[in-house]
Amino acid sequence: AQTVTQSQPEMSVQEAETVTLSCTYDTSESDYYLFWYKQPPSRQMILVIRQEAYKQQNATENRFSVNFQKAAKSFSLKISDSQLGDAAMYFCAYRGRYNQGGKLIFGQGTELSVKP
Amino acid sequence: AAGVIQSPRHLIKEKRETATLKCYPIPRHDTVYWYQQGPGQDPQFLISFYEKMQSDKGSIPDRFSAQQFSDYHSELNMSSLELGDSALYFCASSLAGTFQETQYFGPGTRLLVL
Repeated sequence: AQTVTQSQPEMSVQEAETVTLSCTYDTSESDYYLFWYKQPPSRQMILVIRQEAYKQQNATENRFSVNFQKAAKSFSLKISDSQLGDAAMYFCAYRGRYNQGGKLIFGQGTELSVKP
Repeated sequence: AAGVIQSPRHLIKEKRETATLKCYPIPRHDTVYWYQQGPGQDPQFLISFYEKMQSDKGSIPDRFSAQQFSDYHSELNMSSLELGDSALYFCASSLAGTFQETQYFGPGTRLLVL
């Protein structure tokens, strides 16, 4: 069975600085997708960034980028120029590409606080 | 852009009552997923439907049932409610065969069982 682990329950960053959230996963599948979702206090689940396992190039979305290390099964999220609005719970999620039903498997989450 | 719609947004029920949660996917999306998120926990997959057929099932209690209708909306029916069913219930939708089949989440239904 696939598992996702986020070993940092809480992280803190100063406004305008950079922070990296860690995520590791375990799978025997060769092809899969990885996602980072943001959950602010409203508890809405918002997609931040996504990565296909077969792509070596790391995904980027404006101030958000990932460091995808397939051999190490690591998928970290880097937030540059942190803003107050980035404060939220961040979930890393895994989905097998050929997984019928396409369920997402989430990590435990990392609570990010941003200090002004 | 249109998003996933869930209703009701909040629901309060007594133990042993029944609840029905509704989900309206993004237009043209053909796949619907249900997740349950307890307080301080990550979302847990319950069940999914593709083209009105159940495609996968997770840790969904036998007291719960769900279906997807011809217009692709989905309903989650919960009977004999227990205190432990109090949670945030998310519906997500995706379009099969598209960009990683990314799941887009609705705002959730907050269920409180007293």
